[in-house]
Amino acid sequence: EVVLTQSPGTLSLSPGEGVTLFCRASQRVPSNYFAWLQQKPGQVPRLLIYGASTRATGVGDRFSGSGSETEFTLTIRRLEPEDSAVYYCQQYGTYPLTFGGGTRVEIK
Amino acid sequence: QVHLVQSGVEVKKPGSSVRVSCTASGNTFSAYAFSWVRQSPAGGLEWIGGIIPVFGTPNYAQKFRDRVTISVDESTSKVYMEFRGLKSEDTAVYYCVRDGDSGGYYRLDFWGQGTVVTVSS
Repeated sequence: EVVLTQSPGTLSLSPGEGVTLFCRASQRVPSNYFAWLQQKPGQVPRLLIYGASTRATGVGDRFSGSGSETEFTLTIRRLEPEDSAVYYCQQYGTYPLTFGGGTRVEIK
Repeated sequence: QVHLVQSGVEVKKPGSSVRVSCTASGNTFSAYAFSWVRQSPAGGLEWIGGIIPVFGTPNYAQKFRDRVTISVDESTSKVYMEFRGLKSEDTAVYYCVRDGDSGGYYRLDFWGQGTVVTVSS
């Protein structure tokens, strides 16, 4: 199965800053079937990015995804307090679907 | 607007089985890919398996293949997950998830509210 490794594990940042989260896949992810999910405390996960770089419906343009093959990033510009969450990378090109372990982003 | 409504909290004994249902509303049911994903108390997410009703045959993660059955009832727009031989480590929140564009892939666009399954003696 495709193992996804996220870094860093935890971040503590100030409002207005920007951040880039990383995800490395153990093998090539076909045709960029790669996604980022956001999970705020006590909430259900939410799809942010699919196809490596396409924002899901309702996701603001402060969020952007890029990457291909085995290296992917999620960039969040101008952090806001409501961006405090765990961000998961995920691939859906190969069975079984797999998830990274998550990056926790805390806004101070 | 897509809504996925799951059945309620379950408390089960080790070795027993549980069936969780998911009722989908919104546009066409059969063409979309439905997944079951679980989240452990530690927070990790795992894909259990899924089904695209129009194709009929479920896909399972190898880890769960022997203990899980995913099925659908198209007449009621329900998706089911039956989990057998429950162990304490199966304690988790179980989510029903649907894709957004009927492209034949298990993209995780729309999530149900989650069903808490607790396995304890």
